[in-house]
Amino acid sequence: QVQLQESGPGVVKSSETLSLTCTVSGYSISSDSDYYWGWIRQPPGKGLEWIGNIYHSENTYLNPSLKSRVTISVDTSKNQFSLKVSSVTAADTAVYYCARVGGEMSTIADWGQGTLVTVSS
Amino acid sequence: QSALTQPPSASGSPRQSVTISCTGTSSDVGGYNYVSWYQQHPGKVPKLMIYEVSKRPSGVPDRFSGSKSGNTASLTVSGLQAEDEADYYCSSYAGSNNLLFGGGTKLTVL
Repeated sequence: QVQLQESGPGVVKSSETLSLTCTVSGYSISSDSDYYWGWIRQPPGKGLEWIGNIYHSENTYLNPSLKSRVTISVDTSKNQFSLKVSSVTAADTAVYYCARVGGEMSTIADWGQGTLVTVSS
Repeated sequence: QSALTQPPSASGSPRQSVTISCTGTSSDVGGYNYVSWYQQHPGKVPKLMIYEVSKRPSGVPDRFSGSKSGNTASLTVSGLQAEDEADYYCSSYAGSNNLLFGGGTKLTVL
């Protein structure tokens, strides 16, 4: 049973970089499988937005609307993957979820609990 | 790329059926059989209810079913129960390694 847990600061100042880590247990992210490891966010009271995925530790696929500000990376030694969003504004305030993604990067069966990140001025 | 289009709300009485639509384009919903549906109760993590248009994960009641016609996918909840009241989101693979979500539909059980 895979489990995912997000961690990182709950408050980030405007114009700075948001950094989150997802720790995976019960499954090795370096295993040769068809799973992607991804990030999704949800602003308060709004819908879900796909941020991006990483595949086989090196291939990243990013939402075109966020691509210029987002980096996703993997640390296989710690069984973790990370998200960085640069130059944040209030619009980046959201609950951030990490997830294991299957099925042509379209099936999200396993989610972290989510972490609220607030961008302060 | 634009979000998939869902009605903001839907409702039905207990034991009735309700269908929620998810409209995209031939570049996403219409072009791939990779549509998923998620249920989200307030303050909770989204839960996968349907994947690859019509497949149900283990543990999801067969009251939930999915289908697709052209550029529109649909989620049908039969035999509505009080616990089905939640937000529902569709998603679709959109080619070029992109994923789109719908804006969400709030389902109310009257």
